[in-house]
Amino acid sequence: EAQVTQNPRYLITVTGKKLTVTCSQNMNHEYMSWYRQDPGLGLRQIYYSMNVEVTDKGDVPEGYKVSRKEKRNFPLILESPSPNQTSLYFCASSPTTAGGLSYGYTFGSGTRLTVV
Amino acid sequence: AQSVTQLGSHVSVSEGALVLLRCNYSSSVPPYLFWYVQYPNQGLQLLLKYTTGATLVKGINGFEAEFKKSETSFHLTKPSAHMSDAAEYFCAVRPDSGGYQKVTFGTGTKLQVIP
Repeated sequence: EAQVTQNPRYLITVTGKKLTVTCSQNMNHEYMSWYRQDPGLGLRQIYYSMNVEVTDKGDVPEGYKVSRKEKRNFPLILESPSPNQTSLYFCASSPTTAGGLSYGYTFGSGTRLTVV
Repeated sequence: AQSVTQLGSHVSVSEGALVLLRCNYSSSVPPYLFWYVQYPNQGLQLLLKYTTGATLVKGINGFEAEFKKSETSFHLTKPSAHMSDAAEYFCAVRPDSGGYQKVTFGTGTKLQVIP
């Protein structure tokens, strides 16, 4: 089954304790992206990646890091989490080859992060 | 630059009534347009999309949307609401060209269906 898999689904952590949220897709998509969803603000892009070793900032990158060493994986790293990073996070992927832009995204199920 | 505006963060309809969720976009290049649905505690699921060709697009679960370039709109409709339609709906835009292939989302509309 074609899917984007995020782990964990739920995470409670303390301020300053480094964490990683994993994202993996099995569709051979070039493009991957992380979004955070907050009430009243919709989805805001954190980082995106056009392909392996190619990443760039989205609209709200502060406090986050990403890496793209393999095509299928795109982990989100919070090196020193703070309470304002409490949110619902989504990983998404799509193709970028001819016609791929019209596909939209395939989303993961989300990771609800609480930083206390 | 591109942006999406969804009018109404909450919409309530009676079961069996028409559903109309509004979306207006701005884009400097011809866009692709999408509607996503998010059920409670789930990720976003593609409902329908406009790419090229016919401006009236049909999606899953009886939803459809019409692309109106002159009005820069892509409103989502369903003739008869069902209880299972209660969810949050997001309109999104993506340019059909250019190296930066970001999808920009609206702030969402929560649909409540009243029995």
